[in-house]
Amino acid sequence: EVQLLESGGGLVQPGGSLRLSCAASGFSISTYAMNWVRQAPGKGLEWVSSISVGDDSANIADSVKGRFTVSRDNSRNTLYLQMNRLRAEDTAIYYCARDELVPPAPLAHWGQGTLVTVSS
Amino acid sequence: SYELTQPPSVSVSPGQTARITCSGDALPKKYAYWYQQRSGQTPVLVIYEDKKRPSAIPERFSGSSSGTMATLTISGAQIEDEADYYCYSTDSSDNHSPWVFGGGTKLTVL
Repeated sequence: EVQLLESGGGLVQPGGSLRLSCAASGFSISTYAMNWVRQAPGKGLEWVSSISVGDDSANIADSVKGRFTVSRDNSRNTLYLQMNRLRAEDTAIYYCARDELVPPAPLAHWGQGTLVTVSS
Repeated sequence: SYELTQPPSVSVSPGQTARITCSGDALPKKYAYWYQQRSGQTPVLVIYEDKKRPSAIPERFSGSSSGTMATLTISGAQIEDEADYYCYSTDSSDNHSPWVFGGGTKLTVL
């Protein structure tokens, strides 16, 4: 069974940093494209970042480019999102999501999310 | 930046057909995907590659795409289908192109 467990959220001051983790089980993250999606309170979904298989090339939304970095540790079977220079508008639930290969579909499996609150 | 446009809300009575649209300039050449998010829950994929349905999704859910518009159709909507629905796509095959969600459509079934 595919399971994704996010952690690392919390309250942080503007300008601060957090690192989110997404621990995967039931599959190897090295063989799937992985993603971060966020949802601000009462708002819609926003794609944040994707990391592809093979070359681990990362794709980052313009709204967080230069501040957020996505990476994965295959030995720990864990996906990360390093968030620097946080702003109030980064406040959201952050979801980790895995693409599916067969049938081919993005964001086929989701974690429960971790809440990040940026406030002084 | 690329945008996908959805109506903010759609309302139907139980048993009626609900149609939720998503417009985007790249949809003639890029697939649309649809996600359902019930209140307080995580999103669930309900349609992939414009019109294909995951095996666990009821047959009343279908998708179509024509020109710059993709449509999610729920035939015979049920109370449990009340949720927010989001379309998702990209405007390029480049691995470094961003993906975007539509703004979401709140479906009310009452």
